[in-house]
Amino acid sequence: NAGVTQTPKFRVLKTGQSMTLLCAQDMNHEYMYWYRQDPGMGLRLIHYSVGEGTTAKGEVPDGYNVSRLKKQNFLLGLESAAPSQTSVYFCASSDGHVSYEQYFGPGTRLTVT
Amino acid sequence: DQQVKQNSPSLSVQEGRISILNCDYTNSMFDYFLWYKKYPAEGPTFLISISSIKDKNEDGRFTVFLNKSAKHLSLHIVPSQPGDSAVYFCAATRSGSARQLTFGSGTQLTVLP
Repeated sequence: NAGVTQTPKFRVLKTGQSMTLLCAQDMNHEYMYWYRQDPGMGLRLIHYSVGEGTTAKGEVPDGYNVSRLKKQNFLLGLESAAPSQTSVYFCASSDGHVSYEQYFGPGTRLTVT
Repeated sequence: DQQVKQNSPSLSVQEGRISILNCDYTNSMFDYFLWYKKYPAEGPTFLISISSIKDKNEDGRFTVFLNKSAKHLSLHIVPSQPGDSAVYFCAATRSGSARQLTFGSGTQLTVLP
């Protein structure tokens, strides 16, 4: 039982390049989330999903897109990376019914130069 | 506008003593609160939570207190151990929000041996 995994762990992009971050969970959770963490700002919600095929915007969605084609996977895309998107990205999942607790992945450190 | 605030970026405590971490919130719609612990290069891990219908929840060395009238919660760790040294995040959510969490900016706790 791996919990929540994220791929890749580190990435360096040039401005304007695109990439996709993959999140996978093996807990059969309905809800999944993408956050970014910047120094001194805590975690901020980018996008979330309440089930397969659904997505919704969070607090800071601009410049990002997401997809949830399979229940266990939640993809975060950057179509044209900007230096302001340099951050640590965390994926999380929740059962959405019983517990409010979210389980987090180990994070992806992204640097955009 | 920060809806969840942790005004102390850092706290140092002697091993064996009590650690008290504080959190304030402004949104009266929040009805569930969580504390997460984060070590460097890892994702946050859930520590303890409290519903707005309670004013205290205990789990071993960890106790969370909620003062709704003051919109304030605190995390008490007794006794503090060196392994407790980490960043602690307070988070809040409300019913019907797809369990979206709003995080504070975190407090770095250092427990000195």
